[in-house]
Formats: sequence, C-alpha cells, structure tokens
Amino acid sequence: GQNIDQPTEMTATEGAIVQINCTYQTSGFNGLFWYQQHAGEAPTFLSYNVLDGLEEKGRFSSFLSRSKGYSYLLLKELQMKDSASYLCAPFDSNYQLIWGAGTKLIIKP
Amino acid sequence: IAGITQAPTSQILAAGRRMTLRCTQDMRHNAMYWYRQDLGLGLRLIHYSNTAGTTGKGEVPDGYSVSRANTDDFPLTLASAVPSQTSVYFCASSDGRGGPDTQYFGPGTRLTVL
Repeated sequence: GQNIDQPTEMTATEGAIVQINCTYQTSGFNGLFWYQQHAGEAPTFLSYNVLDGLEEKGRFSSFLSRSKGYSYLLLKELQMKDSASYLCAPFDSNYQLIWGAGTKLIIKP
Repeated sequence: IAGITQAPTSQILAAGRRMTLRCTQDMRHNAMYWYRQDLGLGLRLIHYSNTAGTTGKGEVPDGYSVSRANTDDFPLTLASAVPSQTSVYFCASSDGRGGPDTQYFGPGTRLTVL
C-alpha cells in the first residue's frame, strides 16, 4: 500500500531552526512536494524535489533521499507566521499526489 | 487574476439534500481536482479531470459526481448528502501538460451535513 509518515505536531522557538521529517512508501515515485497550510486556509506550494539532495529557497530548504524513501523540510530563522501545518506529498507512478496528514508546527516566542 | 474560486464558502445542509459545490479557475489549467480534508487525515482525492470533457475517480468517489464541460469550471455534486460527507472541500488545478506539476488550491468550502 501507499503510506506517508510525518510527525503529528512539533513545537519550536521563534528564531530557531526546525526539521520536519517525512517517510513515504508509494507505488512508483515521480518527485515529492511540500505544501504549507495555515489554519482555515488552503494549502500553498513550498517546494518540489525529484532528485536526491538539498533544494534551498530562502529560509526554507527541502531534502530528498529516494533510496531511503525520506524527505525533510528545514525551516530557518523561524517566525511566528511559520506556525502552520506542513504537508508532504509524493507523486506515485500514475502522477497522483499521495498526501500525508501533515505536521502542525507551533512557534513560541 | 483570481486564480481559483470556490462557492459557497460554507454551507449547512440537511441529510438527503442535493448540493453542488462550484469551482472556477482562470489560469487555463488543463487539470482540476476535488479533495476533501478531514481532521487527522491527509487530503483525499475525490474526482479529477485531466482535460475538459474527461473525468476520473479518485480515492473516495462514492456519493460524489463531477462534470467538466469546459476548461474553467469543475462542479462537484453530492446527490443525497450524508453526515459522513461533513468535511472541508478543496478544489485545485494544475497545468496538466504531462508529468508532475504544482497544484494550486481554491480557498475551500466548509460543508456540514446534519
């Protein structure tokens, strides 16, 4: 079967760094997306990885290891507005997105 | 440019009633999707359309139907609503020209079936 595993909730301090992990098992693989979703709002695109390694985009970076079925999202210099859920979503062999339940990130002053 | 709009924003519906959730995009995207999101669960695909005139079933299609008469609109219909269909519904679209592409989401419709 297809499965996505992310921590349910994480807490971090403003100004710090946090890493949100995602492990996945899918029928085939065609890349992995990370989305951010603030409470009561729609998901918005953060990053896409298809090759192994780290993709950096400002304060956010995303890492992928295809052989391990593993990705992480790294958030630096945390701000209060980063409080949100972070959704990991790999593409399977049919180019369908398989969504994890998301990690709720709570930022404390 | 509005992107994707959904209507209504929220709705309370009696069980057994018929309901259509509307979704319109102005990005000329080929592909459109309907998801439901329930607390503690990931987004689950209900139906999708790769291009105007075609539709397909997702993970949880039972009790829902869709149509795609043109590029812009992708309505979702609940023929006879049941309480288990209480959820937040998101419409999304993507370029859909082949391969993985970014999905863009509408603001969602919060539906309560009593």
